Amino acid sequence: NAGVTQTPKFRVLKTGQSMTLLCAQDMNHEYMYWYRQDPGMGLRLIHYSVGEGTTAKGEVPDGYNVSRLKKQNFLLGLESAAPSQTSVYFCASSYLSGSGELFFGEGSRLTVL
Amino acid sequence: GENVEQHPSTLSVQEGDSAVIKCTYSDSASNYFPWYKQELGKGPQLIIDIRSNVGEKKDQRIAVTLNKTAKHFSLHITETQPEDSAVYFCAASIISSGSARQLTFGSGTQLTVLP
Repeated sequence: NAGVTQTPKFRVLKTGQSMTLLCAQDMNHEYMYWYRQDPGMGLRLIHYSVGEGTTAKGEVPDGYNVSRLKKQNFLLGLESAAPSQTSVYFCASSYLSGSGELFFGEGSRLTVL
Repeated sequence: GENVEQHPSTLSVQEGDSAVIKCTYSDSASNYFPWYKQELGKGPQLIIDIRSNVGEKKDQRIAVTLNKTAKHFSLHITETQPEDSAVYFCAASIISSGSARQLTFGSGTQLTVLP
């Protein structure tokens, strides 16, 4: 099992460009999440999904859009990248019930110039 | 919303000594408190968690304590080893049946175990 896989792992954008981060999980988890990690600020929830075709806003959703067309995939999009979106992005997934453990991918480092 | 504060931001200990990381939370309704360990270049990984109906939980060299009245919880690592060096995050959330785990994380503690 690969667990949670994020692509790409690194990306450099210019201000105003768009891009999509892809998250794929092979654990048949119902829930999926996108977090951003910034120095001294921990991880902050951007958007999450409780199932295929559903999405919801987290703590810091502005400037991002998400889609979950398939249960195993959760896409994070930046329509017009800004320098403030320079960060490390983590995708995670979890079961509907059970321990509540989040399983994280290895992260995607995005730099916006 | 929930606010989680974590201290210290950096912690250095000698190998074999104990390490303690403390967190406070603001929402008295929070009932689930996990701790995640993040090694360099990796995603966070759950190491231990505790629910609000329990005051203490141990798993080999790590333990977590929870004081609901004071709204704080702590991670204790005994007999530290070099492989314990990592960033540790506390988190808090309200867990109910069938709900997503919207964790609020602390700002992290960089633990360095010196040989």
